[in-house]
Amino acid sequence: GAGVSQSPSNKVTEKGKDVELRCDPISGHTALYWYRQSLGQGLEFLIYFQGNSAPDKSGLPSDRFSAERTGGSVSTLTIQRTQQEDSAVYLCASSLFEGSPLHFGNGTRLTVT
Amino acid sequence: GENVEQHPSTLSVQEGDSAVIKCTYSDSASNYFPWYKQELGKGPQLIIDIRSNVGEKKDQRIAVTLNKTAKHFSLHITETQPEDSAVYFCAALWSSASKIIFGSGTRLSIRP
Repeated sequence: GAGVSQSPSNKVTEKGKDVELRCDPISGHTALYWYRQSLGQGLEFLIYFQGNSAPDKSGLPSDRFSAERTGGSVSTLTIQRTQQEDSAVYLCASSLFEGSPLHFGNGTRLTVT
Repeated sequence: GENVEQHPSTLSVQEGDSAVIKCTYSDSASNYFPWYKQELGKGPQLIIDIRSNVGEKKDQRIAVTLNKTAKHFSLHITETQPEDSAVYFCAALWSSASKIIFGSGTRLSIRP
């Protein structure tokens, strides 16, 4: 079946511009997670959703970052007024329920010039 | 706070030898510990996981051991092959928040 789909796969943007990253989870998966991976680094937790609610937003680096999920399915991660330090791969994962195995997409590589 | 430490950061082994990666966690209530393999340009893929009600789990050449008292768990890969070369991440489910926290990763290289 279809896995987690992320778009775009690559995004180059100018400093100060807003960007929107999209994640289509596996159908029926109730939990959805966003992570950030800087070059050669580990996975930094950003936010997770249970249904459309985000019980834990503690990982969002600043108020320029926001995320939403609608219809218990698609999620978007928005970064406003991008900075060069926002350059990274943004990974989305979904799971059948909280605490079950995560299934990752291939990520969106964001480059801020 | 929430923390998963992973060692070593890089590991090079001869093809056919075994590789061991170790992780420690700080949340004594954590009860789910997955391991992921990440190849270049792809998202991480689950290779094996273990829950706290068992001390060891094996799947062909891969095994994971868990010591809840010491709060550490390890990944063992036997008879390594070139296709095992990748970055491996351990993780733990944070009981208080249902979020999965990852270690910093181990880059495993298999020498022919």
